[in-house]
Amino acid sequence: EAGVTQFPSHSVIEKGQTVTLRCDPISGHDNLYWYRRVMGKEIKFLLHFVKESKQDESGMPNNRFLAERTGGTYSTLKVQPAELEDSGVYFCASSQAQGGNTEAFFGQGTRLTVV
Amino acid sequence: AQSVTQLGSHVSVSEGALVLLRCNYSSSVPPYLFWYVQYPNQGLQLLLKYTSAATLVKGINGFEAEFKKSETSFHLTKPSAHMSDAAEYFCAARKAGYSTLTFGKGTMLLVSP
Repeated sequence: EAGVTQFPSHSVIEKGQTVTLRCDPISGHDNLYWYRRVMGKEIKFLLHFVKESKQDESGMPNNRFLAERTGGTYSTLKVQPAELEDSGVYFCASSQAQGGNTEAFFGQGTRLTVV
Repeated sequence: AQSVTQLGSHVSVSEGALVLLRCNYSSSVPPYLFWYVQYPNQGLQLLLKYTSAATLVKGINGFEAEFKKSETSFHLTKPSAHMSDAAEYFCAARKAGYSTLTFGKGTMLLVSP
């Protein structure tokens, strides 16, 4: 069974440019999460999809970030325009259920560097 | 707001020595607790999780963690470190009724021969 897949694994862009990150969750997982780790800091929650709907987007830093989950399958996270402070590792996770001690399965992350 | 504290950003042990990685949570109601590991160039992998069925939880690769409510702790241990254990370890918590995880800052485990 394929795990959570993220693309690209690395991205280097200039300040002001646009970048789109993609996440393919485990098949059948309705719950999809985006997290981000800025260098030296903890991994922080960005948002949570249940199927195609945004359940919780309280962690999104600002309106330069746009997440979508077309048809409740894969998800994209677009940063436009990118700023230097957006650099970090973006993780995607998926789970079949939500809450409690449900395991969230993580992808390998996308390392974004804004120069 | 709930927080998770991992003491020590780096822990160094010798191969064969005891591994102890510390994790404390802040909430008054014990959350659901997890330990994840990230090997180089890989995603986060679940090591173990606290389910309230037992305070001592066994995970993969010989790791275990003990939940102590009185100390609000969930420290991760392994009796004998192996070179392959070198990785970054994350403690995470999830409040009851919520879906999101709150992570600690991570502890890098270095194992020397």
